[in-house]
Amino acid sequence: EDKVVQSPLSLVVHEGDTVTLNCSYEVTNFRSLLWYKQEKKAPTFLFMLTSSGIEKKSGRLSSILDKKELFSILNITATQTGDSAIYLCAVSGATNKLIFGTGTLLAVQP
Amino acid sequence: KAGVTQTPRYLIKTRGQQVTLSCSPISGHRSVSWYQQTPGQGLQFLFEYFSETQRNKGNFPGRFSGRQFSNSRSEMNVSTLELGDSALYLCASSLEGDRNQPQHFGDGTRLSIL
Repeated sequence: EDKVVQSPLSLVVHEGDTVTLNCSYEVTNFRSLLWYKQEKKAPTFLFMLTSSGIEKKSGRLSSILDKKELFSILNITATQTGDSAIYLCAVSGATNKLIFGTGTLLAVQP
Repeated sequence: KAGVTQTPRYLIKTRGQQVTLSCSPISGHRSVSWYQQTPGQGLQFLFEYFSETQRNKGNFPGRFSGRQFSNSRSEMNVSTLELGDSALYLCASSLEGDRNQPQHFGDGTRLSIL
């Protein structure tokens, strides 16, 4: 059965810290891995990764995929209170259906 | 460009009733997917529509159904509501349903069953 596992489940850091969120997967016919940020409303798209070893970067956020070891990491540097959210990892396999992990709840304290 | 729009934002129903939720995708997007989000199960895929046809379906009972119109707008219907149907229902759209295009989510409809 296809599955996506995220760790840690929750994390509390202070402003300015760097955090690394993990996502491992077992999905048949892997196509892409996506990261989303969810605050109170819609999950907001962050990155889509399809190839191993190519880092995607947007400001203080970056992500990389390892298709051999079946995992991805999301890094956030110089965290701010506005980074507090649930970070969701999702994988698409043979269809356009996304399989989500349970998410990592990040709390950034001032 | 307007994002994915879902209506209504909140809905309260009682057991046994039925409900219809609406989703307008991003302009030009033709694939619409629906997800159920609950604290216990997280985000789970319901179904995907593309060109007015259901292309994929998740593991939900037949009480959950949907459709897509020629303008790509989609509706989801849940009949004979149960307490366990209380959830945030999210709609996502993507361009052409290509698996290498990200899905973008609406703010969701929060459904509460009394």
